[in-house]
Amino acid sequence: SQTIHQWPATLVQPVGSPLSLECTVEGTSNPNLYWYRQAAGRGLQLLFYSVGIGQISSEVPQNLSASRPQDRQFILSSKKLLLSDSGFYLCAWNQGTDTQYFGPGTRLTVL
Amino acid sequence: QKEVEQNSGPLSVPEGAIASLNCTYSDRGSQSFFWYRQYSGKSPELIMFIYSNGDKEDGRFTAQLNKASQYVSLLIRDSQPSDSATYLCAVSSSYKLIFGSGTRLLVRP
Repeated sequence: SQTIHQWPATLVQPVGSPLSLECTVEGTSNPNLYWYRQAAGRGLQLLFYSVGIGQISSEVPQNLSASRPQDRQFILSSKKLLLSDSGFYLCAWNQGTDTQYFGPGTRLTVL
Repeated sequence: QKEVEQNSGPLSVPEGAIASLNCTYSDRGSQSFFWYRQYSGKSPELIMFIYSNGDKEDGRFTAQLNKASQYVSLLIRDSQPSDSATYLCAVSSSYKLIFGSGTRLLVRP
């Protein structure tokens, strides 16, 4: 069966510091991968989408970037965090259908 | 701007009652519709999906779809306190899902 991992689970970072969040999927090949952000009490905002290695689509212009160095690895990065980057970051995957499955998430607090 | 609208709630129902959660969407081209449950501090988990007009039942859950009215609903029968969570409606749009902001359900013992 397929499983999706995210780390770290929680992160507290100062404003202006860099960021790297990682997501990996096991048990499948060539999945579609997604990064979402959920602000407190809000819905899910799609940030990035990837259909394959090195293929990244950005949904919202911002100071975040994404990379997919391996088939089942998706990384979210920032060179300099803003206060507004705080939130719950979720990675999701799907393959062959629209149904997306979410990882456990990373809670980021920028101070 | 393609949108999915949900009442934020909270929707409060007594234990054993039927909870009815509603969602409207703007993209007439959407083909797939989903309900996710999200407990506080946790990630969303898939409850049900529906593709065709009508009802789809899975245990205590029934999803209802009316494409003409652009309306999706989720019924939870025999509600339990463990059903207390935020329920997210999601609608397919091209390669992605558009999520509503969720309805918070509170089931009173």
